[in-house]
Amino acid sequence: AQSVSQHNHHVILSEAASLELGCNYSYGGTVNLFWYVQYPGQHLQLLLKYFSGDPLVKGIKGFEAEFIKSKFSFNLRKPSVQWSDTAEYFCAVNGGADGLTFGKGTHLIIQP
Amino acid sequence: KAGVTQTPRYLIKTRGQQVTLSCSPISGHRSVSWYQQTPGQGLQFLFEYFSETQRNKGNFPGRFSGRQFSNSRSEMNVSTLELGDSALYLCASSLEGTSGLNEQFFGPGTRLTVL
Repeated sequence: AQSVSQHNHHVILSEAASLELGCNYSYGGTVNLFWYVQYPGQHLQLLLKYFSGDPLVKGIKGFEAEFIKSKFSFNLRKPSVQWSDTAEYFCAVNGGADGLTFGKGTHLIIQP
Repeated sequence: KAGVTQTPRYLIKTRGQQVTLSCSPISGHRSVSWYQQTPGQGLQFLFEYFSETQRNKGNFPGRFSGRQFSNSRSEMNVSTLELGDSALYLCASSLEGTSGLNEQFFGPGTRLTVL
């Protein structure tokens, strides 16, 4: 079975700080990887996804993630965060017949 | 293009009752997946329906069931409700489903509270 681990449950940063959220997955086969974001009071929405090809993927709102196969990681990064990035971030993997498997999420708070 | 809609948005039930939640996918999407979101367990996959057939199923008891209609709308049913079933139930639709190379679009969820 596939599993996802997000290292940080709560992160507090100041505006303009750089962000890196860790995500590791466990699955023996080919995987599709996703980062979703849930802003307060809003739906889950896709930030970015990796299916194949360039391991550095760019998403919306200046986010990017790097797939490192040897480390089973898919970390999310943003060079300079804004107050509006305050949200819950979920890493997810889809490797088989288990649907999307999500990590427990990281609650990110950006202080102005 | 209208997004995924879920009804009702909020529900309060008592233990032992049953409940039915509804999801209307984005027009043209044939796959509907259901997820349960709780503070303790996070987001967990319940099941996926594609062209009226259950294609994948998560690790939930048989009290959780669903179905999909010919217009791709889906319902989820939970029988004999327990306190632990209190959660946000999310529906997601996609063109080809969870095993395909496509994005899932999520609805706003139904907040179920079991008293």
